[in-house]
Amino acid sequence: DAMVIQNPRYQVTQFGKPVTLSCSQTLNHNVMYWYQQKSSQAPKLLFHYYDKDFNNEADTPDNFQSRRPNTSFCFLDIRSPGLGDAAMYLCATSRVGQLLTDTQYFGPGTRLTVL
Amino acid sequence: QKEVEQNSGPLSVPEGAIASLNCTYSDRGSQSFFWYRQYSGKSPELIMFIYSNGDKEDGRFTAQLNKASQYVSLLIRDSQPSDSATYLCAVIKGNTPLVFGKGTRLSVIA
Repeated sequence: DAMVIQNPRYQVTQFGKPVTLSCSQTLNHNVMYWYQQKSSQAPKLLFHYYDKDFNNEADTPDNFQSRRPNTSFCFLDIRSPGLGDAAMYLCATSRVGQLLTDTQYFGPGTRLTVL
Repeated sequence: QKEVEQNSGPLSVPEGAIASLNCTYSDRGSQSFFWYRQYSGKSPELIMFIYSNGDKEDGRFTAQLNKASQYVSLLIRDSQPSDSATYLCAVIKGNTPLVFGKGTRLSVIA
């Protein structure tokens, strides 16, 4: 089945130790998104790739970086995780260009714990 | 004014009743409207989307859109305990990413 896959599902890291979260998709969608979601809050968009074009949200900390080496994969790098970065990280994809829908499909998420 | 507003709840309804979830948005240029369901600790899953004024039905779910009032709602008929979750309203304009509301927590009581 076509889907959005995130690895790992659970990640524990130490304060300041770099961590990389991965996302892959078999939907052949041209846009991939990374969201951060904390408890009882809405998903917060960090950045997205429209094909190879990187779009960073203005309030995304420099501590967060992303890479998209090809259509199928996208990575979220947290260079020096702080305690405030503990959250669920959600990857989503969409095919922009579908008239008026642009439905986003989410992966299962990676729950990050920072010790 | 927040772009997408939802009552955080919890909204409690008895099993078998109709649950009504509401959402307002501030950008009149918004084009497409989505409802996602999110169970605790899980990722959002799409329930349905709507982009034309009026009602759109899918099984027990009905989305209602009123662009003049900048209002979109989700009705869940014959509510079941398994419908207990947070419901996220999301809005899109053009090719920009989704803007999410904070979600309404629904509790269906058996």
